[in-house]
Parts: sequence; C-alpha cells; structure tokens
Amino acid sequence: GGIITQTPKFLIGQEGQKLTLKCQQNFNHDTMYWYRQDSGKGLRLIYYSITENDLQKGDLSEGYDASREKKSSFSLTVTSAQKNEMAVFLCASSPGPGGGAETLYFGSGTRLTVL
Amino acid sequence: TQTVSQSDAHVTVFEGDSVELRCNYSYGGSIYLSWYIQHHGHGLQFLLKYYSGNPVVQGVNGFEAEFSKSDSSFHLRKASVHWSDSAVYFCAVSLLASSSFSKLVFGQGTSLSVVP
Repeated sequence: GGIITQTPKFLIGQEGQKLTLKCQQNFNHDTMYWYRQDSGKGLRLIYYSITENDLQKGDLSEGYDASREKKSSFSLTVTSAQKNEMAVFLCASSPGPGGGAETLYFGSGTRLTVL
Repeated sequence: TQTVSQSDAHVTVFEGDSVELRCNYSYGGSIYLSWYIQHHGHGLQFLLKYYSGNPVVQGVNGFEAEFSKSDSSFHLRKASVHWSDSAVYFCAVSLLASSSFSKLVFGQGTSLSVVP
C-alpha cells in the first residue's frame, strides 16, 4: 500500500502572506488533486494534474497556484492569504487520468488559519 | 451541471441500529456514484462505487448502497452500526467520460454520530 503525506498539518499565516502547502505520494499515481474543504460545503476542486508538469484549473483556482515538478509531489500556493480562506486543504491522488471513474486516495489534510 | 445533495447534515443513531444516509444527484447521462468516509482529523477513504449492473453494491465494513435511476438516488445503508462508524460521509458523482478528464463532484457531507 501507499500513503499520501501532507505538510504541514497546521499552517498559520498573516493576511496577504504567500503560503505553500506540500503533498507527496508514493503510490506512483499519475493524477493528483488539491481540494478545499469548508465546513458544511463539501469538497471543491482547486487544481489537478494528470502527469508531471501538467496543471489544470478546477472550480476554485483563483487566488491559488500549483506546481507538479515531480510525479510524486504536488504543491499548492495561496498567493495572498485572506481570512475567508481558513479551511482544510486535502491532497489526493488516483492511478490514471480517468478522474471520475477512479478511486481517489486522500491525505489527512492541512488546516489553514489566517490571522 | 452535476449536483449532489445530501439532505441530512447530521444523523444520530444508537449502536446496533440500522442507518440510511441519503444522497440524491441531478444528471441525466452515464455517471459513476461513490461514497467516501472521513474520520475526524483524517482524509477521505473510499467506501464503494457504482456504475452499472446490480443496483446494490457492497462496500467495506458492512456498508452497502442502492442506486435508483427513477429516484436519482444512491443511499448508503448499514444494518447495524458500531461506534467506530461515527464519521462524515460524502457522496460523490462523476461523469463517464471516455476521452477527457472527469472530476468528482462531492455532496456537502452527512455527519453520523453513533451513541453507545
């Protein structure tokens, strides 16, 4: 089996600050995802990547950048943190490029707090 | 536009009781339906998935879900819950897409509390 590791688990930043969240997977999966989880709102897709160096915008990409320099890692940058961005950010991966047909494997999340 | 609706934000049952968590979707094409579970402080874990065939699908830990095209539903059930089933449950739907990426759309989640 594999694992998805997200760092840090807790991230505290100041309003306007640039913040980076990291995700590593050892499944050797092609596709990786970043979701944002707000209480009572389910998960919303921020960015996804179907292979190394590929980046695709999701429904909530404004205010975020992403980077997939290696197959095993996918990072997310909050370009200018806002107080309404306090949420849990979940990284996930899936074996191939099929997206919806596949099972997603999730990390345990990074909880972002903006002061 | 695909939408997924989980009508109950919170459900509380006693240990040993049966439970049904409701999920309704709106999309007319070929879709995949799935359920995920999230224990407190953890990421989501896959429970089960349906695309075609027998409308009742079995998942891990005694969970099953039943697809109904007429009701546009994919409700999750368990005959006898355990305290460890306390978690948030997410229903998700995705399009069957042969040539392009198809994302999962998640419902808002239902928080299940199992009382000893």
